[in-house]
Amino acid sequence: DAEITQSPRHKITETGRQVTLACHQTWNHNNMFWYRQDLGHGLRLIHYSYGVQDTNKGEVSDGYSVSRSNTEDLPLTLESAASSQTSVYFCASSESGGFAAFFGQGTRLTVV
Amino acid sequence: GENVEQHPSTLSVQEGDSAVIKCTYSDSASNYFPWYKQELGKGPQLIIDIRSNVGEKKDQRIAVTLNKTAKHFSLHITETQPEDSAVYFCRMDSSYKLIFGSGTRLLVRP
Repeated sequence: DAEITQSPRHKITETGRQVTLACHQTWNHNNMFWYRQDLGHGLRLIHYSYGVQDTNKGEVSDGYSVSRSNTEDLPLTLESAASSQTSVYFCASSESGGFAAFFGQGTRLTVV
Repeated sequence: GENVEQHPSTLSVQEGDSAVIKCTYSDSASNYFPWYKQELGKGPQLIIDIRSNVGEKKDQRIAVTLNKTAKHFSLHITETQPEDSAVYFCRMDSSYKLIFGSGTRLLVRP
């Protein structure tokens, strides 16, 4: 069965370190998204990609970057982790706008 | 800008009662309106969706209604059960970006 997986599920890192969260999907979807979820803020869009070599900034992109070198993967990098980036991160993929999106299980990141 | 407002933020109902959650959207070009359920420690999962050429869609105890003129759509859960307790999100698409509502925490009291 097709799926979307995130790793790691939990991560503790120190302020100032570079951190990369992995997202891998086997749906062969063109569109991939990264969200962060914080209490009281719902799902906020960080970055998104419509295909290989395409990346776009979402509403809360500062301090984050993504790259899309193939269809299956969209890693999210925190260039220099800050305590404000402590959150739960979700990756999602969809065939296109107007279609169902599928989410990974989430990565809980703590920056100390 | 692109926006979808979701209400209420929390909802507590007695088991067996109905629950209704409403979303109002801004992008009149949107034509696909799904609802997601998120259980504790998991990612959101699609539970029902509707397209703009349809006014209502039902799947057992859940239904979604759409009013394109007023630009709002609602999730209806009938005969609620404790396992319906979760956070529910609506979604609209704007320029292929997936924009989610702020979420409704539903608590079903036994």
